Formats: sequence, structure tokens, C-alpha cells
Amino acid sequence: AQTIHQWPVAEIKAVGSPLSLGCTIKGKSSPNLYWYWQATGGTLQQLFYSITVGQVESVVQLNLSASRPKDDQFILSTEKLLLSHSGFYLCAWSRDRDEQYFGPGTRLTVL
Amino acid sequence: GDSVIQMQGQVTLSENDFLFINCTYSTTGYPTLFWYVQYSGEGPQLLLQVTTANNKGSSRGFEATYDKGTTSFHLQKTSVQEIDSAVYYCAMRPSSGSWQLIFGSGTQLTVMP
Repeated sequence: AQTIHQWPVAEIKAVGSPLSLGCTIKGKSSPNLYWYWQATGGTLQQLFYSITVGQVESVVQLNLSASRPKDDQFILSTEKLLLSHSGFYLCAWSRDRDEQYFGPGTRLTVL
Repeated sequence: GDSVIQMQGQVTLSENDFLFINCTYSTTGYPTLFWYVQYSGEGPQLLLQVTTANNKGSSRGFEATYDKGTTSFHLQKTSVQEIDSAVYYCAMRPSSGSWQLIFGSGTQLTVMP
């Protein structure tokens, strides 16, 4: 069975500080990977997707970047956090272009 | 551009009531449409996928329909239960070649016992 793990579970960071969030998928080779952001009480906004190691496509510009250093790992980062980065960050994977399986999420609070 | 509109932000029902949630979409492609459900503190999970216009999908007592003529898709359940309380999102993949998934704004369903 496939499992998806996100770390950390929650973060409280200062404006202007760097950020790195991680996601690992076990039990599935060559998954398609995605990052989403969800403001508190808001909808899900797709940020990035990756269909192969080393290649990441940006969907929206939010002063964030993503990388896929390994087949099973997806990293979301920024050098300088903004207040508007607060929210719930979700990683997801899929076998094809259809059903996406979401991880448990990381709650980020920027103060 | 591609978009999904979900107007009902909050729906409160009693157990055994009928549920109907509607979304409209806009795209120039041939979309695939989805309904996801998100329970508090968790990531969303797929409830239903509808690929072909005028076809229905069903799962866990929920039924989804997709009307290409009115560019709308609906989620319904004949008799809701308290455990159905969650946020329901409609979503659209704009075309067969797209990797993008566009979500509606979500409907918070509260079912009173």
C-alpha cells in the first residue's frame, strides 16, 4: 500500500525567515506529485506539479519554489516568508492525471 | 480562463434530508470533473469522478451528474447522515492533457442529528 508523509506537522515562523516543507511517498514508483495551498477556511490552490525527478512545473506564483530531488520526495521552500504564506500546505500524488491522494498536510503560521 | 464556481458556502441539514450541491465550470477543453470531501484537519479524498457528459457516478450513497449543456455538475445524496458532515469540493481537470486541478470554493455541510 502507498503511504504519503508530510513534515513537519506544523510550523510557526517569523516573517522574512526561510521555510522548507517536505513530502515523501512510499510504495509507488514514479508518482506524479503536487503541492497545494489552502488558506484557513478557503479553497485548495494548486502550486506545483512534477511528473519526473528533477522537473517541476509552477502553476501559480506565490514567492515559493519546489524541487523533486528524488523519485519519492517533493520539497516546498522559500527564502523569505510573507504573512500571506500562512495556511495549510498539502502534498498529493497520483498514478495518472486523475485521482489524487492527499497527505495529512502541514499547518504553517507566519507571524 | 478555466474556472469552477461553487456558490453554496454552507449547507445545514437534518439527518435523512436530501442533499444537492451545484457547481458550474468554464473551460474550452473536454474536462474531467471530480467531487472531493475533506474532514476536519485532514487532506481531501476523492468521492466521485465523472468523465462523460450526462453520465452519473456514484459512491457511498452519493451521486454525481454532469451536464455539458449547462456546464454544470451536481452532487446529491438522498438521505444524509451526521457522519457526512464535512467540506465538499467540486474540482475540474480542464482537458485530457492537463495536469492542473482547479477546485471550487467548497461547501461546508453540517448535518444535525
